[in-house]
Amino acid sequence: ELKVEQNPLFLSMQEGKNYTIYCNYSTTSDRLYWYRQDPGKSLESLFVLLSNGAVKQEGRLMASLDTKARLSTLHITAAVHDLSATYFCAVDRDDKIIFGKGTRLHILP
Amino acid sequence: EPEVTQTPSHQVTQMGQEVILRCVPISNHLYFYWYRQILGQKVEFLVSFYNNEISEKSEIFDDQFSVERPDGSNFTLKIRSTKLEDSAMYFCASRFPGTSGRALNTDTQYFGPGTRLTVL
Repeated sequence: ELKVEQNPLFLSMQEGKNYTIYCNYSTTSDRLYWYRQDPGKSLESLFVLLSNGAVKQEGRLMASLDTKARLSTLHITAAVHDLSATYFCAVDRDDKIIFGKGTRLHILP
Repeated sequence: EPEVTQTPSHQVTQMGQEVILRCVPISNHLYFYWYRQILGQKVEFLVSFYNNEISEKSEIFDDQFSVERPDGSNFTLKIRSTKLEDSAMYFCASRFPGTSGRALNTDTQYFGPGTRLTVL
């Protein structure tokens, strides 16, 4: 059974700091997604990662995938207040997609 | 930019009633999905749909649920007899396949804005 563990579940950090969100999953996967969700809104796609060693960057966010360790990370560099949101990882295996519980990120000015 | 749309934005119904949630995926997408999210909780997969049939479904997607793509543009989720615990935000998503085949496609899922279902 595919399980996805995300941590931390809540993160409060100062602007300008760096931090990493971790996503562990239990079985092999076809692809791994990272999404952002603002309160009361839908999900915005951030990254899709396919292969071992994949690294993608967009602005202050960088995602990586280690398929051997079944681990993905979302790294935030020099956080700004606008990045405050809930971040979800999700793992897709044979078109069945399991989400982590989400990391609620609160960035203090 | 093309987007996934969903109607209605909010649906209120009585327990035991049938509801149909509607989605219009992005026009050249071939894979379609329904998810739900109970307020403040994680997103739960319900079903994936490809080539006019269900690809995968979760334990939540029991006999009370069904999906249909009746006319080549709409993608609907029907709940036959709603329960209080069906109250949630329901999201539709769609995806365009890559060129390497279904298992290796590279494209992301685009989510609609959601329908908030309230069962009284």
